[in-house]
Amino acid sequence: DAGVIQSPRHEVTEMGQEVTLRCKPISGHDYLFWYRQTMMRGLELLIYFNNNVPIDDSGMPEDRFSAKMPNASFSTLKIQPSEPRDSAVYFCASSFGHAEAFFGQGTRLTVV
Amino acid sequence: KNEVEQSPQNLTAQEGEFITINCSYSVGISALHWLQQHPGGGIVSLFMLSSGKKKHGRLIATINIQEKHSSLHITASHPRDSAVYICAVKSKGNNDMRFGAGTRLTVKP
Repeated sequence: DAGVIQSPRHEVTEMGQEVTLRCKPISGHDYLFWYRQTMMRGLELLIYFNNNVPIDDSGMPEDRFSAKMPNASFSTLKIQPSEPRDSAVYFCASSFGHAEAFFGQGTRLTVV
Repeated sequence: KNEVEQSPQNLTAQEGEFITINCSYSVGISALHWLQQHPGGGIVSLFMLSSGKKKHGRLIATINIQEKHSSLHITASHPRDSAVYICAVKSKGNNDMRFGAGTRLTVKP
């Protein structure tokens, strides 16, 4: 398996634009996590899914953020409209049950 | 106070030294993870443990559930061990991770 695949690896966008981050989890994993990493706050959980169903979205900062998992092999994290304070590295991870999670390479988002 | 506290925040060592990174947590957990993040950003899971001790090559991780404390040890450190090491815990009843701030390790040749 190629591991968790995230795209794009880098994204630069202007404030106010919509941004969509994509994730393909490891095949067979039933949990998918979205994390955000910033210098100020470190790694934070945004939302996680179990069997494509959102379980905990308490980490989603505000209504500008939304995440979907339409099937077991794909998830998106959307920010609309984007703001400079959303600049961060966004990681997707997946796991089988409560076993260790495998991380994607991350998407570095810069909002100017 | 953060749920997960790591120390030290930064650590510089000479090649060959024995290194210890500490993690304390304040919640009941089902498992504790040690992660490694290299420059360039990729995150790799080193250990997941819920009791006792695990060893992988030069890396050893221990956990004391009663004291809510874990340590990551690196024996015979090498410059390629230079990275940020992150402690993360999974609370009982949840499957999400809460993270420490990380320890930035630099091993000089």
